[in-house]
Amino acid sequence: GNSVTQMEGPVTLSEEAFLTINCTYTATGYPSLFWYVQYPGEGLQLLLKATKADDKGSNKGFEATYRKETTSFHLEKGSVQVSDSAVYFCALLGSNYKLTFGKGTLLTVNP
Amino acid sequence: GAVVSQHPSWVICKSGTSVKIECRSLDFQATTMFWYRQFPKQSLMLMATSNEGSKATYEQGVEKDKFLINHASLTLSTLTVTSAHPEDSSFYICSASFHNSGNTIYFGEGSWLTVV
Repeated sequence: GNSVTQMEGPVTLSEEAFLTINCTYTATGYPSLFWYVQYPGEGLQLLLKATKADDKGSNKGFEATYRKETTSFHLEKGSVQVSDSAVYFCALLGSNYKLTFGKGTLLTVNP
Repeated sequence: GAVVSQHPSWVICKSGTSVKIECRSLDFQATTMFWYRQFPKQSLMLMATSNEGSKATYEQGVEKDKFLINHASLTLSTLTVTSAHPEDSSFYICSASFHNSGNTIYFGEGSWLTVV
């Protein structure tokens, strides 16, 4: 079956530091890949997505590139802010519209 | 844009009682809705797939008699936790898609259930 493995946290960074959260996947066919963000006490929000190989999703300074050869979708941001503190989930959408999530990575950004 | 709304956001109930959580699609007709459960500091686990007008499809290990799902209309799906126990305390979140949404999934805000 499908699976998503993402970097275990927690990750603690200083403001303006570079962020990478690794995500790799196992899937049949050609899944779509997503990063979701969950701010404290809130529901999930879609951060970015990529639907095919070599696509780059981007939003709010975050980027992730769909790498089929390495089955990866790593999340990056060049300069994090305190407001980016949240839990980040990598997810894969299979052909049956079911989402498979990674375990989530807690990011804390200190001023 | 499309919005999915859940209600209630927070609910506390006594052990042995039942509690219902609603998931509504506000701007579109959701042909399929999904219910997820999230334990503290863990990922979301798919509980069941709800299709309008038919029985829900439950994932392995999810008790269908305990977690009743009703998708009676194209804009509403409900999850009822029956005879709730403290171990049912969790964050429940729904998502929805519709025929022309491509692979876009819209999530509700989630519902925190605490069983005391």
